[in-house]
Amino acid sequence: DAKTTQPNSMESNEEEPVHLPCNHSTISGTDYIHWYRQLPSQGPEYVIHGLTSNVNNRMASLAIAEDRKSSTLILHRATLRDAAVYYCILRDVGTGNQFYFGTGTSLTVIP
Amino acid sequence: EAGVTQFPSHSVIEKGQTVTLRCDPISGHDNLYWYRRVMGKEIKFLLHFVKESKQDESGMPNNRFLAERTGGTYSTLKVQPAELEDSGVYFCASSRQQGGTGELFFGEGSRLTVL
Repeated sequence: DAKTTQPNSMESNEEEPVHLPCNHSTISGTDYIHWYRQLPSQGPEYVIHGLTSNVNNRMASLAIAEDRKSSTLILHRATLRDAAVYYCILRDVGTGNQFYFGTGTSLTVIP
Repeated sequence: EAGVTQFPSHSVIEKGQTVTLRCDPISGHDNLYWYRRVMGKEIKFLLHFVKESKQDESGMPNNRFLAERTGGTYSTLKVQPAELEDSGVYFCASSRQQGGTGELFFGEGSRLTVL
């Protein structure tokens, strides 16, 4: 069922930008790209989502490739509280409302 | 605004016993979802309610799992009889919108351990 591919882990220094990549080569026209993160012992938490255009919010930015086959979550200044597993998810709103979680990227933030 | 709450946070039962997990969604959220992560695997979709109706239950693993949402408010997920492979974390989520780009709000999960 996995529709996205992410690196298993990444490291970043505190207060530096972090670029988390995601490949979704089989994305369909009705798939939105969502990012969630999961802190230890908590449920997943919404970060950002987009369809075609780049998106910004208070937490992060989402850069979507022109062909939509890949995207990048950008944390502009990593903090220790950003250490989490980040999931890149395709939300199929054409045939249902399932979220297909992948394995995610475990982000370590180094003080 | 209270978030999605799940009970119990952790349940330990023996194989063959029954467990019921409860989820209280955010007030006003018609959409309620159940997910689970079994050991070492990815988070997987189980089912989706819109109010009291099951919109999609394609992720339910077998007939030992029964989900209900009477009155369209809280939901329960019953596992009967529980098997060892049912151990994992069960997450509930709710959203206001069904389609479109609605954000899902997740609870902290109910950890189930079957011995």
